[in-house]
Amino acid sequence: DGGITQSPKYLFRKEGQNVTLSCEQNLNHDAMYWYRQDPGQGLRLIYYSQIVNDFQKGDIAEGYSVSREKKESFPLTVTSAQKNPTAFYLCASSPQGVSGDTGELFFGEGSRLTVL
Amino acid sequence: AQSVAQPEDQVNVAEGNPLTVKCTYSVSGNPYLFWYVQYPNRGLQFLLKYITGDNLVKGSYGFEAEFNKSQTSFHLKKPSALVSDSALYFCAVRAVSGGYNKLIFGAGTRLAVHP
Repeated sequence: DGGITQSPKYLFRKEGQNVTLSCEQNLNHDAMYWYRQDPGQGLRLIYYSQIVNDFQKGDIAEGYSVSREKKESFPLTVTSAQKNPTAFYLCASSPQGVSGDTGELFFGEGSRLTVL
Repeated sequence: AQSVAQPEDQVNVAEGNPLTVKCTYSVSGNPYLFWYVQYPNRGLQFLLKYITGDNLVKGSYGFEAEFNKSQTSFHLKKPSALVSDSALYFCAVRAVSGGYNKLIFGAGTRLAVHP
């Protein structure tokens, strides 16, 4: 079945460690996105990518990094510079990132990161 | 600035009663508006969208939403609530920045349907 796969679903990290969250899609979508979800704050955009080897900072990119070496993959690294990384992270994709696309997003099941 | 507001943190409704979850937006140009639903520890699922045309949009699971341009609102509605509708609901608007699309989400409204 086509969809977006995020792994791991749960992750625990010690302070000072970098962690990488995986996001893979087989929908042949051009655009991919990472959102962070905190209680009562909705979803905030971390990074997004319209095409391979290109990505843009979202509203809360500090302390995060991404890569887009393949169309189907958009991993997110939470670095030790992120001051409050405990959150639920959601990856999403859309068919096209450029104007003409309605903007509808398809989401993965999320990864919950807890810093101990 | 483009934004979405969901004025209610939680909406409580009895099963079988109609429900409304409110959303207002601020965007330049014609709005593209969306509703998503999230169940605990899951990703978001698309419910419906308004792009153009009829102001009443029908979506999944019997939900519908009414676009009101003068009030800049896009309220989610369902004629008869089910206990299984209990979830977190997000309204979103498309924003275009530097030629790129992104969705801006409201803070979410928790819907609790009681038997």
